[in-house]
Order: sequence, then structure tokens, then C-alpha cells
Amino acid sequence: QVRLAQSGAEVKKPGASVKLSCKTSGYTFTTYAIHWVRQAPGQGLEWMGWINGGNDNTAYSQKFQGRVTITRDTSASTVYMELSSLESEDTAVYYCARDYYGSGSYYLDYWGQGTLVSVSS
Amino acid sequence: EIVLTQSPVTLSLSPGERATLSCRASQSVSDFLAWYQQKPGQAPRLLICDVSKRATGTPARFSGSGSGTDFTLTISSLEPEDFALYYCQQRGSWPPTFGPGTKVDIK
Repeated sequence: QVRLAQSGAEVKKPGASVKLSCKTSGYTFTTYAIHWVRQAPGQGLEWMGWINGGNDNTAYSQKFQGRVTITRDTSASTVYMELSSLESEDTAVYYCARDYYGSGSYYLDYWGQGTLVSVSS
Repeated sequence: EIVLTQSPVTLSLSPGERATLSCRASQSVSDFLAWYQQKPGQAPRLLICDVSKRATGTPARFSGSGSGTDFTLTISSLEPEDFALYYCQQRGSWPPTFGPGTKVDIK
């Protein structure tokens, strides 16, 4: 079965960076893109960016451009998302999710369990 | 970026009733609209994509309609497990965006 397992909760100070992982299993890693979406406490969903399944091509929301980097380790079927220059407004649950059609559909069928990132001084 | 507006904010209904949720886009997204369900403490679940295509495992009581800027998610007869938060999402224009959600709660 398809599974996306995310790394554990993080507590960071303003200005720091955080790198989250998303280990996938149950499907061919290179066939599906992985997206990152975040959800601030009590708020809605915000798309951040994605990485292509078959290569290292990425695209990021303008809002996070320059602060977010998504990478992957094909040998480990794992995708990483690093967010720098953290502010308190970055406190949120961060989800990784698989692209439903494989690449570029931006519809998200399988999701990780989410990683809570708390930013506080 | 395209702004999605969902109405109502909260829909209070009883099991067995029909639910009609609305999603309006600030400009046309063609047929590139999806619906997700989210329950407390859980990740969202894809229900519908491309306006009306049910995702794998989505029950037939969920249906989607609309085009351009106005879209509807209909739940024909609410089951107890359907009381949740529902988000629409567009991919017709970069970047993909989500609506603020409609909460369906028990009356």
C-alpha cells in the first residue's frame, strides 16, 4: 500500500531553518511527483511547491521562493523540504502529498501524516 | 493568484440530508477543480478532481459539478462519517490554491 511517512515534530527559533523528510513506499518513486502543503493552526491549506518524480525539476510558490528548497534521494525513496529564515508565521503542520496523475496534475491523493513545525523565541 | 471563495462557512445538517457546497473562483479555472475532505487531526483526502471525477475510493454519494468560476460539491445523503471540513482546490492557474473551507456539522 502507498505510504508517505514524515519526520517528527520540530521546534525552531526565528531565523533558523528546518528540513523535513517524507519517506515514500508502496509505489514506484520515480513515477509520481511529491508536493508540499502547509496548514497553520486552525487555518486552511497552502501549497508550497513540488518536485518531479522522474527528475530533480522543482517549482515553488512565489510566496516561498528563495526560502524553500525541495530535494529528493531516489535511492531512499525520500523527499526533503527545507524552509529557511523561519518566522512565527511559519508555525504550521507541513504535509507531503503525492501527485494523483503522476506529474503536474497538482491533485494530491496520498498524504503524509503531517509534521508540526513550531517557531518561537 | 486565483482566490477561491467557499460558501457557506458552516452547513448544519442531519444524517440523511443532502449537502450542497459551493466554490467560486476569482477567474476561470476551466475544469481544473478538486474537492478534499479533512477530519480533525487528519490529512486531507482527495474526493473529486477535474470538477466531477471521483477519486479512487470516493463513494458515489459525492458528486461534483460546474465549470469556469462556479462549482458545487453535492453529498446526496449524509452519512455520519461525512461530517467534516471540505476544501476546494484549483489547478487551472499558477499557483494552485485552496479555498478556505466549508464545515459540515451535525444539526
